[in-house]
Amino acid sequence: EAGVAQSPRYKIIEKRQSVAFWCNPISGHATLYWYQQILGQGPKLLIQFQNNGVVDDSQLPKDRFSAERLKGVDSTLKIQPAKLEDSAVYLCASSLEAGGANEQFFGPGTRLTVL
Amino acid sequence: GQQLNQSPQSMFIQEGEDVSMNCTSSSIFNTWLWYKQEPGEGPVLLIALYKAGELTSNGRLTAQFGITRKDSFLNISASIPSDVGIYFCAGRGGSEKLVFGKGTKLTVNP
Repeated sequence: EAGVAQSPRYKIIEKRQSVAFWCNPISGHATLYWYQQILGQGPKLLIQFQNNGVVDDSQLPKDRFSAERLKGVDSTLKIQPAKLEDSAVYLCASSLEAGGANEQFFGPGTRLTVL
Repeated sequence: GQQLNQSPQSMFIQEGEDVSMNCTSSSIFNTWLWYKQEPGEGPVLLIALYKAGELTSNGRLTAQFGITRKDSFLNISASIPSDVGIYFCAGRGGSEKLVFGKGTKLTVNP
């Protein structure tokens, strides 16, 4: 079974530029998550989708971050404009359903460096 | 919001030694999870705990869900070089959102 796919793996941009990340979850997984992992920290949830609907985006900086999962499968996360403090690894995860014993499987992440 | 305190922050051990790390929470959790993350990869689930007092093993790894539901520990016995990585605890409470600790970086000297 293929795991969670993410691209690109690395991205370097200058502050105030825009960037987008893509995630393809495990086939059949209804729930998709985007996390931000700053160096030396654990992952922090940015947004959770159930199919194509947003379940939790309380920690998403909505003035510059946006995410969509239009067809309930792939998802994109965008930052516009980027700030220096956005430098982090952005992890995508998926699970069959939300909560319970439906645990999350993580992709390899996209490492973003903002100069 | 919910916070997890994970300790120790880092460990340097010799191959063959046992390792113990733990997490404490300011609030009650319904689920405790332990993940391992290697450089350039996402976290990989090692052990999941769903009941207070539960003790679960996965090979040389053993984890327990504390009775108070505010803590958990992970033990690794007879460490080997491939155990190197960052170990994260994560907890899930009533909100169903997963909260992660800051990680324990493990270095194993052969």
